[in-house]
Amino acid sequence: DGGITQSPKYLFRKEGQNVTLSCEQNLNHDAMYWYRQDPGQGLRLIYYSQIVNDFQKGDIAEGYSVSREKKESFPLTVTSAQKNPTAFYLCASSIGYGGNQPQHFGDGTRLSIL
Amino acid sequence: SQKIEQNSEALNIQEGKTATLTCNYTNYSPAYLQWYRQDPGRGPVFLLLIRENEKEKRKERLKVTFDTTLKQSLFHITASQPADSATYLCALLNAGNNRKLIWGLGTSLAVNP
Repeated sequence: DGGITQSPKYLFRKEGQNVTLSCEQNLNHDAMYWYRQDPGQGLRLIYYSQIVNDFQKGDIAEGYSVSREKKESFPLTVTSAQKNPTAFYLCASSIGYGGNQPQHFGDGTRLSIL
Repeated sequence: SQKIEQNSEALNIQEGKTATLTCNYTNYSPAYLQWYRQDPGRGPVFLLLIRENEKEKRKERLKVTFDTTLKQSLFHITASQPADSATYLCALLNAGNNRKLIWGLGTSLAVNP
């Protein structure tokens, strides 16, 4: 079955540590996205990629980094510069970039601080 | 200021009834509006997309309306079932807004047997 796989499901970060969240899709989608979901807030866009080897900052990119070296993979690194990293992180993809395209989501990674 | 608002209070309805969820927006000119379902601890699942020039869209027991005069979209689930219990999110694409989706906070729906 085609879909998006995020791993791990739960992740713990120590102070001063960088951690990387994995996102893999086998839908052959060009566009991929990273969102952060916090209680009482809508999904907020961290980074997006319209096509392989390209990515753009979203609304809350500070303290995060991404790469898009392969079409199917879009890992997110939460750096030590992100002072409030505890959240539910969601990766999504769509056939093309744009709000007229349905987005397909993974089941998220919940990041907590030790 | 720009806002997208969904019912903040949970909606509780009896099985078999029609659930109606609301998405209101302010100071946006949406070209498209999407509805998603999200279960606890899971990612959202796409349900329906409606364009600004469409008044209504249906899919099985689901129906979405889009009223650009009222600046509102309504999402209906007919013959609701306990399995429909979830949080429902609306998201809009603002015309000219770099094609990014803007998300509501969601409305929690509980269908009681």
